[in-house]
Amino acid sequence: DTAVSQTPKYLVTQMGNDKSIKCEQNLGHDTMYWYKQDSKKFLKIMFSYNNKELIINETVPNRFSPKSPDKAHLNLHINSLELGDSAVYFCASSQRSWDGYGYTFGSGTRLTVV
Amino acid sequence: RKEVEQDPGPFNVPEGATVAFNCTYSNSASQSFFWYRQDCRKEPKLLMSVYSSGNEDGRFTAQLNRASQYISLLIRDSKLSDSATYLCVVLMNTGFQKLVFGTGTRLLVSP
Repeated sequence: DTAVSQTPKYLVTQMGNDKSIKCEQNLGHDTMYWYKQDSKKFLKIMFSYNNKELIINETVPNRFSPKSPDKAHLNLHINSLELGDSAVYFCASSQRSWDGYGYTFGSGTRLTVV
Repeated sequence: RKEVEQDPGPFNVPEGATVAFNCTYSNSASQSFFWYRQDCRKEPKLLMSVYSSGNEDGRFTAQLNRASQYISLLIRDSKLSDSATYLCVVLMNTGFQKLVFGTGTRLLVSP
């Protein structure tokens, strides 16, 4: 049973398109995250939701819009894709957001914008 | 200055060698510290937490020096399977708690 699952695993799309990545966790965790890992392997937080409420929104372009329909799901919609959006996007979850423990990452979505 | 800095490597070592990685962090109020491991094209996974008193897990020893804002990871008796990228991770409070990742240090263990 996959604890944090993301779909799709790979996504190749043209500039200007709109795409979504879905994430689901079956761990019963309260907090979910989106991280972006760029070509230099730098892993950086984008968003965090706790019980469906947005608690972290790093300086991410407005083209990125997270949505959490319930605490087990956190989706990421990206409008007007640009070449620089090419990266691996990791979803993660944790039971608590305040101590850094118990993070579980999904296997990542490799987005390529051409 | 990056919030968490690491030497990117790669560190090329033979099997059986001892290798040490270092990391510095910028926020002196940081509270929790970790080492994660990331294999090629995979997600990061927790290797171990780092405590002020230092802690050991088998061949792995982690140390924290709060005064110097410095974290280390020592791997003894390296195995081929230790080849991976090791990420130094710090929990920072910048109005909210967030995990901040270093860029990672790549380790290649050869036969």
